[in-house]
Amino acid sequence: NAGVTQTPKFQVLKTGQSMTLQCAQDMNHEYMSWYRQDPGMGLRLIHYSVGAGITDQGEVPNGYNVSRSTTEDFPLRLLSAAPSQTSVYFCASSYFGRTEAFFGQGTRLTVV
Amino acid sequence: DQQVKQNSPSLSVQEGRISILNCDYTNSMFDYFLWYKKYPAEGPTFLISISSIKDKNEDGRFTVFLNKSAKHLSLHIVPSQPGDSAVYFCAATSLDSGGTSYGKLTFGQGTILTVHP
Repeated sequence: NAGVTQTPKFQVLKTGQSMTLQCAQDMNHEYMSWYRQDPGMGLRLIHYSVGAGITDQGEVPNGYNVSRSTTEDFPLRLLSAAPSQTSVYFCASSYFGRTEAFFGQGTRLTVV
Repeated sequence: DQQVKQNSPSLSVQEGRISILNCDYTNSMFDYFLWYKKYPAEGPTFLISISSIKDKNEDGRFTVFLNKSAKHLSLHIVPSQPGDSAVYFCAATSLDSGGTSYGKLTFGQGTILTVHP
């Protein structure tokens, strides 16, 4: 099992560009979520999904879109990147009825 | 407003001694708490957790203590090993009536633990 796979690992964007961060899990987990990690802030929840077709906002959703068409995939879209979105992004998944989440290796995004 | 706080940015400990990492929370709705460990360039990995109905949970060298009245939890690592050097995150969540968090965790800022040989 690969677990939670995120691509790309690194990305540099120019302000105003769009991109999609990919996340896939092969554990058949119902729940998936996106977090961003910034210095001194810990990890903050951006969006989460409780199943295919169902998503909801987390603590810091502005500037990000998500969709979940399959159980396995949960992409995060930046429609118009801003320097404030420079961060390390982590995707996570978890089982129904279990609390601990499994995290991907992260995507380091720099917006210039 | 930071609902989960780790007020010590770093901790340095000698190999073989005890490491104590602290975490405070403000939201009374939190009823389940977790500790994650993170190495550089990797994602966080789950370490240990505790439900609010307990005050202690042990797993090998790792013990988590919960003081609900003080809204405080701590992670004890005994004995500490150089391989324990990492960033440790405290996280909290509220479970619904079915006991699920839907993957929604609130994290502290993290504490960098360095264990010296």
